[in-house]
Amino acid sequence: DTAVSQTPKYLVTQMGNDKSIKCEQNLGHDTMYWYKQDSKKFLKIMFSYNNKELIINETVPNRFSPKSPDKAHLNLHINSLELGDSAVYFCASSPDPRFTDTQYFGPGTRLTVL
Amino acid sequence: GNSVTQMEGPVTLSEEAFLTINCTYTATGYPSLFWYVQYPGEGLQLLLKATKADDKGSNKGFEATYRKETTSFHLEKGSVQVSDSAVYFCALAYSGAGSYQLTFGKGTKLSVIP
Repeated sequence: DTAVSQTPKYLVTQMGNDKSIKCEQNLGHDTMYWYKQDSKKFLKIMFSYNNKELIINETVPNRFSPKSPDKAHLNLHINSLELGDSAVYFCASSPDPRFTDTQYFGPGTRLTVL
Repeated sequence: GNSVTQMEGPVTLSEEAFLTINCTYTATGYPSLFWYVQYPGEGLQLLLKATKADDKGSNKGFEATYRKETTSFHLEKGSVQVSDSAVYFCALAYSGAGSYQLTFGKGTKLSVIP
């Protein structure tokens, strides 16, 4: 029933660790995204994939690496975690990459780096 | 570049009060405009959208009209309920010449008290 799902919902880890967040959508959409929402609720797009190809790569440290094994999945791997990476990360999907269609968001993953 | 400016929050209203959340934008070309809502502990969900000038988006008693002359997309509701307490994001989407951009405002937190 869930349209866009993310795991885990909460992630607490130490600085310097490597972690991954997984995202899956069952809407049949071609495009998936990762967003970062900071403590002030400011939302910024990080990456976008269309049909497993990277189409948007905003200014994000290269410690962040997205991977799309198929159209329904977009995972986010983060190396050498830093305190400033603490945030809520949202996955989203849409029918196409033009942004004029509705984006469907997952419930978010709250990452806390200690 | 494209940008979205929303009124600063938080906004606190009594139940049944009239709501306006201002949103103005700067954009090249003809963007699409959106309002997304984020309820506590959840991901964003589309509230309403408008894809061309003078379009009015409406949903759940909320309305917003795409005003090109004033570059605005203000959100209004005639009578708010406690269940409307959430963070509201204005967003602008632009697609053209193979470039895709989606820009969110900083969000406005609304609290409705009984």
